[in-house]
Amino acid sequence: SQQGEEDPQALSIQEGENATMNCSYKTSINNLQWYRQNSGRGLVHLILIRSNEREKHSGRLRVTLDTSKKSSSLLITASRAADTASYFCATERSSNTGKLIFGQGTTLQVKP
Amino acid sequence: NAGVMQNPRHLVRRRGQEARLRCSPMKGHSHVYWYRQLPEEGLKFMVYLQKENIIDESGMPKERFSAEFPKEGPSILRIQQVVRGDSAAYFCASSPYIGLQETQYFGPGTRLLVL
Repeated sequence: SQQGEEDPQALSIQEGENATMNCSYKTSINNLQWYRQNSGRGLVHLILIRSNEREKHSGRLRVTLDTSKKSSSLLITASRAADTASYFCATERSSNTGKLIFGQGTTLQVKP
Repeated sequence: NAGVMQNPRHLVRRRGQEARLRCSPMKGHSHVYWYRQLPEEGLKFMVYLQKENIIDESGMPKERFSAEFPKEGPSILRIQQVVRGDSAAYFCASSPYIGLQETQYFGPGTRLLVL
């Protein structure tokens, strides 16, 4: 079964608004990563946050990690229509070979 | 530095045929991962390979599926006697031989349709 669970499953906002997506997981992890996937395309790596980090920024992206709650959030500020995509969190477990466990994803629609 | 390359991008097979999916990792990357994505779902791990070795195949179906990463050439995911349930997008990812906490770079995927 998948370790990560994203919520909400779908999110629709207006351009310029902020979008927040959450991810929960079940086991200890080395790191947590967020990916974006445009419809019918491959995955684009957005950001990696290690288990000893609490917050990370990259451009309009802000990721937080709370290992005590086994959860992470991805915030996209000042959203654009081009941000419309599915967003997946993926965890690399502490006892793992490096394989990623993906959640089901959040589908984000940003209306112009 | 070219990214991860996969071919073909689209593959149509009839039930019972064989499907061969190829993945060329990024230059300098010796770790390859295969994932499968069913429609409207997230990716599911299948197998992790290093050159000439299968490290973790815990996500591979027990029958009909095999994977290899030879010393020379691309990694191959082979599906024998395909069934309609094999229709999915298959993604390959690679990472460098530096450690375990490395970003995985994904290819564009191969979309397999079984008729």
